[in-house]
Amino acid sequence: DQQVKQNSPSLSVQEGRISILNCDYTNSMFDYFLWYKKYPAEGPTFLISISSIKDKNEDGRFTVFLNKSAKHLSLHIVPSQPGDSAVYFCAASRGGIMKTSYDKVIFGPGTSLSVIP
Amino acid sequence: KAGVTQTPRYLIKTRGQQVTLSCSPISGHRSVSWYQQTPGQGLQFLFEYFSETQRNKGNFPGRFSGRQFSNSRSEMNVSTLELGDSALYLCASSSDRGRTEAFFGQGTRLTVV
Repeated sequence: DQQVKQNSPSLSVQEGRISILNCDYTNSMFDYFLWYKKYPAEGPTFLISISSIKDKNEDGRFTVFLNKSAKHLSLHIVPSQPGDSAVYFCAASRGGIMKTSYDKVIFGPGTSLSVIP
Repeated sequence: KAGVTQTPRYLIKTRGQQVTLSCSPISGHRSVSWYQQTPGQGLQFLFEYFSETQRNKGNFPGRFSGRQFSNSRSEMNVSTLELGDSALYLCASSSDRGRTEAFFGQGTRLTVV
C-alpha cells in the first residue's frame, strides 16, 4: 500500500510558465513533508520542506502548499526553467521536526518534469 | 565538505550470489538510510542506522541487511541475489539534530543476471 502517491508520472511545461507537481498521502500521522529533485545518474537533492503546522513555504522560485484536510501537497515552480527538468519526489514522515527520534521517510514514485525551451 | 560517497558505482552479479555495498556519510552525520529505486516504484525504504543501531526498517526480506560502524560508515548486504534485486541503491545521510533533510549519494547500480 503506497502511503505517498504522485499520480502524474510525467509533466511537460513551457519555459517561463508555472509547473505544478502534486502529491497525495494516506497516513494522517505524517507531519513533515519534503520535495527532492533527481537528475539522471545523480542522487536526489533536497529542494524544500514543510511542517504540518504551516500551509505554505516558499524558497525562491519554489513554493510548497499543504492541505492537511485533503492530505494533499503541491510544489509550484515559477517561472519554470529548462534546468528544472528532472524527476521530483515527494516524501513524508512523522514525528515532529524537533524530535530526535522519528519514523522513516516515505517517498512517492516521482514525477518526471520536462521544461520545454 | 565531502558529500555522501557510495562504492562501487556499478556492479553486475549473478543470481544466487551475495553483494555488499558501502556508504560513507557526510562528516559529522550519524544517520544513514538506504533506499532501493526501481522504475515506477520510487524510493523504497530499506533501513536506517543511527550511531551503529538500526533505528527503522522497511518491508524487505531478511536477505537484505545492513550495519553501521563507529565512524558512521555503513554497509548494506544482499544475500542470495534475485533478478528482481536489480536496482539503484541509494544511501542518504543526515545530521542528528532533529529532523533535517537528507543528503544522498550517487547510488550503486546493481544488475543481477
